[in-house]
Amino acid sequence: SAVISQKPSRDICQRGTSLTIQCQVDSQVTMMFWYRQQPGQSLTLIATANQGSEATYESGFVIDKFPISRPNLTFSTLTVSNMSPEDSSIYLCSVLTGTGIGSEQFFGPGTRLTVL
Amino acid sequence: GQNIDQPTEMTATEGAIVQINCTYQTSGFNGLFWYQQHAGEAPTFLSYNVLDGLEEKGRFSSFLSRSKGYSYLLLKELQMKDSASYLCARLDSNYQLIWGAGTKLIIKP
Repeated sequence: SAVISQKPSRDICQRGTSLTIQCQVDSQVTMMFWYRQQPGQSLTLIATANQGSEATYESGFVIDKFPISRPNLTFSTLTVSNMSPEDSSIYLCSVLTGTGIGSEQFFGPGTRLTVL
Repeated sequence: GQNIDQPTEMTATEGAIVQINCTYQTSGFNGLFWYQQHAGEAPTFLSYNVLDGLEEKGRFSSFLSRSKGYSYLLLKELQMKDSASYLCARLDSNYQLIWGAGTKLIIKP
């Protein structure tokens, strides 16, 4: 298994500011992902955080708005830049351990962001 | 496309059994996940199926048919705390999860 911690757990931010969310895993993992879940909607994958290289973003998400770092196999950050109220959401770090049949996916506790 | 289809909402009675179905695209398939999510909380892993058949874990069972692109989650002896959204997600060959919109399960006394 993998234990994931996220900081901060929640924050209230002003429009136009930026927030960096940290994700720490207690073991080396195969892959790390960043998701968000807006109120009343399903989980949406933002990007896959690649160790030592640029993240892979999903359609509708760009690096300038959501820069991601992954300096090593157990840590990643997601920055929500130039925030607007539409960015209010729960942001989730997720990891995949193992490969193939042995794979498991785990989620962090989430960061609840409110933008005023 | 990569649609994952599951019912939007289901209602069941405490103590009863409910089956939540999920259909998905079969190409590039690398496994099927079921998650439980209570409002305002992160999803909780329930099961991961990659081979055909039924896997049981306590009151919960998950079934997979790869040829049909079909899975279901079976919940027995329903309890009020089982009221939640149940998310079906397909893992593709690039280890990307494609999520369904979730099934909101309402348990009535």
